[in-house]
Amino acid sequence: QSALTQPASVSGSPGQSIAISCTGSNSDIGNYNYVSWYQQHPGKAPKVMIYAVSNRPSGVSNRFSGSKSGNTASLTISGLQAEDEGDYYCTSYTNNNTWVFGGGTRLTVL
Amino acid sequence: QVLLVQSGGGVVQPGKSLVLSCAASGFMFSAYSMHWVRQAPGKGLEWVAVIWDDGSKKLYVDSVKGRFIISRDNSRNTLSLQLNSLRADDTAVYFCAKEFGGGFDLWGQGTKVSVSS
Repeated sequence: QSALTQPASVSGSPGQSIAISCTGSNSDIGNYNYVSWYQQHPGKAPKVMIYAVSNRPSGVSNRFSGSKSGNTASLTISGLQAEDEGDYYCTSYTNNNTWVFGGGTRLTVL
Repeated sequence: QVLLVQSGGGVVQPGKSLVLSCAASGFMFSAYSMHWVRQAPGKGLEWVAVIWDDGSKKLYVDSVKGRFIISRDNSRNTLSLQLNSLRADDTAVYFCAKEFGGGFDLWGQGTKVSVSS
């Protein structure tokens, strides 16, 4: 199972909006609505930000939103804040009954 | 308090074995599938294994098939990962995680495994 494809890095200024893409195939993202997104800060465990494509867990800011079109999912962060800086990973369920992660995207808040 | 607390890990020689444990509290452990995810130094997250809520099904990433064994004890709210025939490329921080909505909504603190002679 090949890793999902994410951009290595994205950046934005405080208050701006950014989007991180996650591209898979008909064997994962394109066939299931089990895409989730995680934020990770150095030395810490990941934290779920979005699950099942567009659902936000309680306690996660409504500045975070998720969507999917075909084989590509996206995480959008609006009103960027300094605390949003970190690494972001997508993951999807696959037709092998397994899960696959994206390579990760480093978000820098300028 | 809803928690996953990990133990085990350490430095081990290539070819040897190690057991990682993950103790759950604050939720109905037996109702959820549980996963292991790892992260090699300076690298991204890699899904490793899943075990169904009742332990009836276990699945692994290809690179650990035949070497790692995931198990659970629902009477003790404990998840385990037995790592056999360890290789240098198994060196990573290993996380246990609870599944919800097709994703992972609760994570352990991580435990480091270093495979080195």
